[in-house]
Amino acid sequence: DTGVSQDPRHKITKRGQNVTFRCDPISEHNRLYWYRQTLGQGPEFLTYFQNEAQLEKSRLLSDRFSAERPKGSFSTLEIQRTEQGDSAMYLCASILGGTDTQYFGPGTRLTVL
Amino acid sequence: AQSVTQLDSQVPVFEEAPVELRCNYSSSVSVYLFWYVQYPNQGLQLLLKYLSGSTLVESINGFEAEFNKSQTSFHLRKPSVHISDTAEYFCAVRPMNTGFQKLVFGTGTRLLVSP
Repeated sequence: DTGVSQDPRHKITKRGQNVTFRCDPISEHNRLYWYRQTLGQGPEFLTYFQNEAQLEKSRLLSDRFSAERPKGSFSTLEIQRTEQGDSAMYLCASILGGTDTQYFGPGTRLTVL
Repeated sequence: AQSVTQLDSQVPVFEEAPVELRCNYSSSVSVYLFWYVQYPNQGLQLLLKYLSGSTLVESINGFEAEFNKSQTSFHLRKPSVHISDTAEYFCAVRPMNTGFQKLVFGTGTRLLVSP
């Protein structure tokens, strides 16, 4: 399968713990996006990478959130000191620059108890 | 800034009936428009898109959408739905002529097809 993959698919954690999610984009795609989707809402933009550079961050991305894309390949999203409000589906999408379609992964569902 | 409104949170229909899912948007610049579908426990899949040219765009599974600039709408239609069309449908926009391709989504419409 050459689509976008995300790991883990589900994560349950206790409030205050740190969690890290991974996204593997389609191999030739140089641009990568993270979105967050809460229940009953559409996905909301979190952050954007072009190759290894993080070029845009949403105001939704508090100081507890950090994202990386070392070497412009896979990306990680870390949430420190999780809160119940962080419970959501975290979606990753990749796209080849100059094209128009973002391809989404299956998402990581985070539940903070 | 852009915003997308999907007024119908849920649309129940019977199999083989026609359906229309409504989408309106607001933007100070020209935008590209997309419909994505999300099946249970899966990520979003592109259903169709409008970039330029003919205002009526079609998908491979019988859906179509028409871009109406004056109404700022991009409604999704299907003349005869199947049980397998049961899913959540999201309308999205992004500005033209920018390298930053952030999508702005609506809140989604859940299509429930029953026998």
